Amino acid sequence: GENVEQHPSTLSVQEGDSAVIKCTYSDSASNYFPWYKQELGKRPQLIIDIRSNVGEKKDQRIAVTLNKTAKHFSLHITETQPEDSAVYFCAASRGGCNSYGKLTFGQGTILTVHP
Amino acid sequence: NAGVTQTPKFRILKIGQSMTLQCTQDMNHNYMYWYRQDPGMGLKLIYYSVGAGITDKGEVPNGYNVSRSTTEDFPLRLELAAPSQTSVYFCASSYRLYGELFFGEGSRLTVL
Repeated sequence: GENVEQHPSTLSVQEGDSAVIKCTYSDSASNYFPWYKQELGKRPQLIIDIRSNVGEKKDQRIAVTLNKTAKHFSLHITETQPEDSAVYFCAASRGGCNSYGKLTFGQGTILTVHP
Repeated sequence: NAGVTQTPKFRILKIGQSMTLQCTQDMNHNYMYWYRQDPGMGLKLIYYSVGAGITDKGEVPNGYNVSRSTTEDFPLRLELAAPSQTSVYFCASSYRLYGELFFGEGSRLTVL
């Protein structure tokens, strides 16, 4: 089955700096890669996703890049703010109706943004 | 819309007891999932459903069971609770394959 590795497990930055979180996946058939943000004690929420026919996607201060050849994808947060502090999860899902949208999640990255 | 509602939020069980975690969504989503979240381990898929009457196992189904008699409800049953089932459980739903997962608030279960 799919295996998703996420690094680093913790990341500490100063407000205004950029943060990068990287994930690698094992199943070359995977073609959907979302990122979820989970604030302390809250539910995970989707912040951005990318599909395999796109190499990069941006949404304001957040961007995701995908390298299908190397089987890795990354989350980039620019101009970080204290409210970006949370746990971030990457995930991957293989295509086709038989996968039923099942996601395999990475282990999570605890991002702390210091004022 | 209330979204995805889970009950209870907290529960303590003794080893060998059984219980049901309830999950209801009011968004008419066909796809529903149960995940468990252990510290430092991300979210692991327990069971999923693609519509009423259709369920299947995920990565970690042992010790659990589910049913899906209606589009709205997707309860998770724990039989013979074990300490290894101590975790936070999240129910989620989606309106399409590879669409956003809408999570419930989570249920924190402790087995002693």
